Amino acid sequence: QVQLQQWGAGLVKPSETLSLSCAVYGGSFSGYYWTWIRQPPGKGLEWIGEITHSGNTNYNPSLKSRVTISVDTSKSQFSLKLSSMTAADTAVYYCARKYGSSSWYFDLWGRGTLVVVSS
Amino acid sequence: DIQMTQSPSTLSASVGDRVTLTCRASQNINIWLAWYQQKPGKAPKLLIYKTSTLESGVPSTFSGSGSGTEFTLTISSLQPDDFATYYCQQYNSYPLSFGQGTKLEIK
Repeated sequence: QVQLQQWGAGLVKPSETLSLSCAVYGGSFSGYYWTWIRQPPGKGLEWIGEITHSGNTNYNPSLKSRVTISVDTSKSQFSLKLSSMTAADTAVYYCARKYGSSSWYFDLWGRGTLVVVSS
Repeated sequence: DIQMTQSPSTLSASVGDRVTLTCRASQNINIWLAWYQQKPGKAPKLLIYKTSTLESGVPSTFSGSGSGTEFTLTISSLQPDDFATYYCQQYNSYPLSFGQGTKLEIK
């Protein structure tokens, strides 16, 4: 079945840039929005942004100035970069799949990566 | 932006109980609402989408209802596996947003 496998640095220094990647295995890469969502420890979920296989992006305005989501269709992978990291960005970061059209919910999730911002 | 508010924040209940969780949107989201279940250390799991459509494999003890700004998730008979945190998510408009969660704990 379709799986999302994510990886990246779990410790980032303040002011530096977070880099995470997510690969899609066992299913189609096109026809979906590939998404990043985060969850600070003990808190709720925050949608960061998304990208299609063709590179169309949508970002949360609250993070837009610091976020870049990119795609590598040849590898069925997508990536997140979040710049100028602070302690407030400490969170579990999830990659997820969202349908297109009007079905904008998340039916498939990666296992999550805990990212700690600390010097 | 649409704010999602869930109540209660914590709900204590027993196995076999019927429980109802509430999610309110700050503006009309029609029926574009999903519910997720999250257990500690795990990713959220999709339960319901379009307010009341059960995701494949989700037990029929779960049901959703509502429209506009007020929505509910009902579990008709709590099972031990149901104790978790539940999140609602609106997908009427960007930015997509979640409620803060309701933690369902064993009484």
